[in-house]
Amino acid sequence: EAQVTQNPRYLITVTGKKLTVTCSQNMNHEYMSWYRQDPGLGLRQIYYSMNVEVTDKGDVPEGYKVSRKEKRNFPLILESPSPNQTSLYFCASSLFGGFTDTQYFGPGTRLTVL
Amino acid sequence: GENVEQHPSTLSVQEGDSAVIKCTYSDSASNYFPWYKQELGKRPQLIIDIRSNVGEKKDQRIAVTLNKTAKHFSLHITETQPEDSAVYFCAAGGQAGTALIFGKGTTLSVSS
Repeated sequence: EAQVTQNPRYLITVTGKKLTVTCSQNMNHEYMSWYRQDPGLGLRQIYYSMNVEVTDKGDVPEGYKVSRKEKRNFPLILESPSPNQTSLYFCASSLFGGFTDTQYFGPGTRLTVL
Repeated sequence: GENVEQHPSTLSVQEGDSAVIKCTYSDSASNYFPWYKQELGKRPQLIIDIRSNVGEKKDQRIAVTLNKTAKHFSLHITETQPEDSAVYFCAAGGQAGTALIFGKGTTLSVSS
């Protein structure tokens, strides 16, 4: 089944404790991205990647890191999480991104930073 | 960079009525305009999209119109049903590999 998966789905952590949220797609998509969703603010892009080893900042990249070492995986890293990073995070992928095609979203990761 | 404004933020209609959500964008290079529906507790899912070489697209009760000159596009839902209740997001995108920018969303409530 074609899908985007994220892990964990729920995470409660404390300020400063490094964490990684994994994202994987099995559709051979070139383009992957991370969004955070906050009430009243919609979906804001954190980082995106056009291909392996190519990543770019989105609208709200501060406090986040990403890597794209393999085409199927695009982990989101919070080196030192803070309470303002409490949010619902979505990973998404599409064949090429931007102009061309549908973005498929993962199920979401609800992160709480205490 | 691109900026997408979406209105209204909330919309309440009676079952059977029509609903219209409007978005404006700033980057004239944008040429892909999808609409996503997000039901409570679920992921956003594409419901319809339109590209800049098309002025209107329809899929059953859902239609999208695009006015490139005015830089705005709209989602039209006819004969609304309670299951249409959700948050709807518009987005605008440009060249392949660039960011897709989302509006802030519209919460649609359809009462029976």
